[in-house]
Amino acid sequence: AQSVTQLGSHVSVSEGALVLLRCNYSSSVPPYLFWYVQYPNQGLQLLLKYTTGATLVKGINGFEAEFKKSETSFHLTKPSAHMSDAAEYFCAVSSSTGGGNKLTFGTGTQLKVEL
Amino acid sequence: DTAVSQTPKYLVTQMGNDKSIKCEQNLGHDTMYWYKQDSKKFLKIMFSYNNKELIINETVPNRFSPKSPDKAHLNLHINSLELGDSAVYFCASSQDRGLSAGGYTFGSGTRLTVV
Repeated sequence: AQSVTQLGSHVSVSEGALVLLRCNYSSSVPPYLFWYVQYPNQGLQLLLKYTTGATLVKGINGFEAEFKKSETSFHLTKPSAHMSDAAEYFCAVSSSTGGGNKLTFGTGTQLKVEL
Repeated sequence: DTAVSQTPKYLVTQMGNDKSIKCEQNLGHDTMYWYKQDSKKFLKIMFSYNNKELIINETVPNRFSPKSPDKAHLNLHINSLELGDSAVYFCASSQDRGLSAGGYTFGSGTRLTVV
C-alpha cells in the first residue's frame, strides 16, 4: 500500500529564508505525488503535482518539488519565505482502489514564518 | 462563483441526532469525494462517486450514507451521531478517476461538532 511520511510536524523559518518541507513516500508502483496547502479554516489547495516526465516540478506561489526515485523523496522547497506562506502543508500519494483513485496524505507540516 | 461549495460551514449537534452535509461543484467534474480531517489534521478518504456511481467506500460505519443525485452533487448523511464523528469533512472533485486525478479541488470544509 502507498504511504507518505512527512518529517517534522512543525517547521519554523525566518522571512526570506529557504523553506524545505520533507516528504518520503512508499509505493509499489511509480507514484503520483502531490503537495497541498491548507490555510486556517480553509480547504486544501493544490500547490503542485508530479505524475510523469520532468522530476523538478514547479507550482504556485514560488514553490517547487523534486521527485527523487532513488531516495523515495518529494521534498517541497521555496527559495525565500514570505509571511503569507504560514500554513499547514500536506504531501500525498495517489493510488488505485476499487474503481477509482484516492489520495493518501501525510500527517502534515505546520510552517511558521517569523520576522 | 465557488468551484466546490459545502453547506453548512459549521454544524453543532447533539449525540444521537441525524444530520446532512451538502456539496456541489460547478467545474463539470465527473468524480467527487468525501474526506474526513480529524482533530490532529489527519485526512482520510471516506467515499468517492463517479457519475453518480459509488466507486470507493473506505470501511466507513454504515451510519454514514452518501448520496449523489447527479454528478454535480454529493451529499453526506450521518445517522445517530457520536462524539467521535466530530471532525472537519471536506468535499472534493476531480476531472476523472485516474491516478493523475489527484489534483482535486476541495471545498472549504464543514466543521462538525457533536456534543
